[in-house]
Amino acid sequence: DAMVIQNPRYQVTQFGKPVTLSCSQTLNHNVMYWYQQKSSQAPKLLFHYYDKDFNNEADTPDNFQSRRPNTSFCFLDIRSPGLGDAAMYLCATSRDRGGTDTQYFGPGTRLTVL
Amino acid sequence: GQNIDQPTEMTATEGAIVQINCTYQTSGFNGLFWYQQHAGEAPTFLSYNVLDGLEEKGRFSSFLSRSKGYSYLLLKELQMKDSASYLCAVTDSNYQLIWGAGTKLIIKP
Repeated sequence: DAMVIQNPRYQVTQFGKPVTLSCSQTLNHNVMYWYQQKSSQAPKLLFHYYDKDFNNEADTPDNFQSRRPNTSFCFLDIRSPGLGDAAMYLCATSRDRGGTDTQYFGPGTRLTVL
Repeated sequence: GQNIDQPTEMTATEGAIVQINCTYQTSGFNGLFWYQQHAGEAPTFLSYNVLDGLEEKGRFSSFLSRSKGYSYLLLKELQMKDSASYLCAVTDSNYQLIWGAGTKLIIKP
C-alpha cells in the first residue's frame, strides 16, 4: 500500500542535543510538509518542499531545518531542542501544492525533550 | 487575521447523530477539509468541500455554505471508534491551508 512512513515513532532527546526525524513516502507526491502539533492545538506548518523547492514559513524558528535528498525522503533537523519543542511532528504529502490537494499524513513522531 | 472556530469538545451517545460545526474567517476561500485524528495518531482525510451543499460519504456527511463562512460535519450511527478529534481546515486565497484546533468528540455507550 502506498503510504507515508515516519521514524522513529517516539524520540527522546536531551535539552540542546540535536535530533533528526525522518519521513519517507511511496506515493510519489511532489510536495512534502512538516508540521508541529502540540496537545489540543491545530497543526502548525513549519515548512514544505515542492519537489526540491524549499518553502519556509515566516515564523518557523531557525532552530528547525529540513532536507529533502530525493522525492521519497524528507528530514527534519532540530539543532538545539528546547523544552518548548516537545510536540508531535507530522509529515504529510500531497500530489501538488496549492492547498486544494488532499494531504496524506504519516503516523507522526512524538518528541520528548528532557 | 485568519480564524477558524470549532467547539473544543462535544459528547454524544453511541448510535446517535452528532453535528460538528466550523466557522471560518479567511482571506479568500478555495476549499474546506475535514480530517479525523485519533489520540496520538496522525490526521486522516474525511472530506473536501469547495461548492455549497451537502456531500455524503457513508455515515459521514459534510456541508458547506460559503456565503456564511460555515461548514458542518455530520456523523450518523455513532460508534465508539468515532471518538476522536475532528479538524476543520480551509484553503485561503493564497492557497495556504489554515487549520482549526479541532473538536474532541467523546462517544458514550
